[in-house]
Amino acid sequence: NAGVTQTPKFQVLKTGQSMTLQCAQDMNHEYMSWYRQDPGMGLRLIHYSVGAGITDQGEVPNGYNVSRSTTEDFPLRLLSAAPSQTSVYFCASSGVNTEAFFGQGTRLTVV
Amino acid sequence: AQSVTQPDIHITVSEGASLELRCNYSYGATPYLFWYVQSPGQGLQLLLKYFSGDTLVQGIKGFEAEFKRSQSSFNLRKPSVHWSDAAEYFCAVGSNSGYALNFGKGTSLLVTP
Repeated sequence: NAGVTQTPKFQVLKTGQSMTLQCAQDMNHEYMSWYRQDPGMGLRLIHYSVGAGITDQGEVPNGYNVSRSTTEDFPLRLLSAAPSQTSVYFCASSGVNTEAFFGQGTRLTVV
Repeated sequence: AQSVTQPDIHITVSEGASLELRCNYSYGATPYLFWYVQSPGQGLQLLLKYFSGDTLVQGIKGFEAEFKRSQSSFNLRKPSVHWSDAAEYFCAVGSNSGYALNFGKGTSLLVTP
């Protein structure tokens, strides 16, 4: 049972580069979310989705895009990376009346 | 607006001592409350959750939490701490479907011999 799988685990980008963080879940969950974790800040919500084709912004959406074409996948795109986006990114999925299940995270460094 | 406050950034306890981690929340609707634990370099693991019913919730690893609506609190407790409990603990509030959670900033627990 894989649960929530995030790839890559580590990534270094140069300022201005683009990339996509992948997130896949195999639990047939309707809901998926992206968070970023910075020291002393806890986890902050970037974007979330309540089903295929439906996404919404969280607390810190600027600089990030998402789409949800399938139930299983919820990729996070950085169009033009900035040093302020250096962080650890977590994807989570959940179902009705369940808690959120988290992936192992992607550690991103933008230089 | 939703918010979660964990007043203690760091807590140090001796192994075998009791533990209480504080969590206060502000939420307009019925709160659904969660405690997660994170070991260094790892993802988040759910300790326990409160959706409704009994306000004293039992979780994994011997943890429990009590929901007190009048105090807007959901404090985490453990009667006897083990060295393996050293980790970062996060309180979160959100919907009963666990998405779009609002997290506190975390409490780092250090356990001394």
